[in-house]
Amino acid sequence: AQSVSQHNHHVILSEAASLELGCNYSYGGTVNLFWYVQYPGQHLQLLLKYFSGDPLVKGIKGFEAEFIKSKFSFNLRKPSVQWSDTAEYFCAVNAFNSGNEKLTFGTGTRLTIIP
Amino acid sequence: DARVTQTPRDKVTEMGQEVTMRCQPILGHNTVFWYRQTMMQGLELLAYFRNRAPLDDSGMPKDRFSAEMPDATLATLKIQPSEPRDSAVYFCASGHGLAGSREQFFGPGTRLTVL
Repeated sequence: AQSVSQHNHHVILSEAASLELGCNYSYGGTVNLFWYVQYPGQHLQLLLKYFSGDPLVKGIKGFEAEFIKSKFSFNLRKPSVQWSDTAEYFCAVNAFNSGNEKLTFGTGTRLTIIP
Repeated sequence: DARVTQTPRDKVTEMGQEVTMRCQPILGHNTVFWYRQTMMQGLELLAYFRNRAPLDDSGMPKDRFSAEMPDATLATLKIQPSEPRDSAVYFCASGHGLAGSREQFFGPGTRLTVL
């Protein structure tokens, strides 16, 4: 079974700082990878996804993530954060060959941006 | 703009009462997921349907929880009897289950408080 680790539980940054949130997964086969964002009081929304091809994926709101297969990682980055990026961020993995659409989520990283 | 809808948005009930949460997936989506989100456990998958058939409900306490899809436009999650430890936000998500897709679209959630 697949699992996802997000080691940063709470990250606090000032506006304009650069962001990198870690995500590691454990699964030996082909994976689909996702980052979801949950703004305070709202539902999860997709930020970006990786299925195949270019391992550097660009998403909405200036976010990007890089899939490094050898490290089983899919870290999320943003060069300059804004106060409005304050939210909880979830990494998720789907085992592509498992024949189902289940996503396994990490425990989430709470991001607080200080104006 | 197609969205997953959930009702009710908030529910406060007393221990022992029956609770029914409803979800309308995005039209054309054939996979439906129920998640529970708590501070302690994060986002947990409770049950998962494809083409209205339950594929995986291993995350759901069987003695009190039940999930059904009476038709393609309605999914229900029922708790009977409810307990204070069931207090959480319950999210429904849907997807179209195409090969390689795996993207899930989340509803706004039902915040359940059991007193």
